[in-house]
Amino acid sequence: EAQVTQNPRYLITVTGKKLTVTCSQNMNHEYMSWYRQDPGLGLRQIYYSMNVEVTDKGDVPEGYKVSRKEKRNFPLILESPSPNQTSLYFCASSSPSRYTEAFFGQGTRLTVV
Amino acid sequence: GENVEQHPSTLSVQEGDSAVIKCTYSDSASNYFPWYKQELGKGPQLIIDIRSNVGEKKDQRIAVTLNKTAKHFSLHITETQPEDSAVYFCAASKGGSEKLVFGKGTKLTVNP
Repeated sequence: EAQVTQNPRYLITVTGKKLTVTCSQNMNHEYMSWYRQDPGLGLRQIYYSMNVEVTDKGDVPEGYKVSRKEKRNFPLILESPSPNQTSLYFCASSSPSRYTEAFFGQGTRLTVV
Repeated sequence: GENVEQHPSTLSVQEGDSAVIKCTYSDSASNYFPWYKQELGKGPQLIIDIRSNVGEKKDQRIAVTLNKTAKHFSLHITETQPEDSAVYFCAASKGGSEKLVFGKGTKLTVNP
């Protein structure tokens, strides 16, 4: 089954404690992205990657890091989480063909206290 | 950069009625406009999309229209059913899905 898998689904952490949210896709997609979803703000892109070792900032990259060492994985790293990073996070993948669907994971709900 | 405005933020209809959600975009270079449906506890899922060289596209009870001159596009759902209840997002991009700019979403409630 084609899917994007995120882990963990839920995470509560404390301010300043480094964490990583993993994302893996099994569709051999070149493109992967991270979004955060906040009430009233919709989905905003954090980072995206167009291939292995190629990443770029989205609209809200501050406080986040990413890496793309393998085609199937695109982890999101919060080096020093703060309460304003409490949000619902989604990973997505797509092929480089034009006008193609982006497939989203089930989401990770992060709470930073 | 691109900015996508979406209205209304909430929409409540009776089962069987039609629902219309409207979006406007700012960047005339955008040429791909997908619509995603997000059910509770799940990630967004594509339901229909339209390219800038097409004015309208239909898929059963769902249709999308695009007015390039006015830079707006709309989602139309006919004969709504309770299972259509969800949050709907419009988005715009310059052709690829690696960098989608989303509207803020519309929570649709279909009352039985």
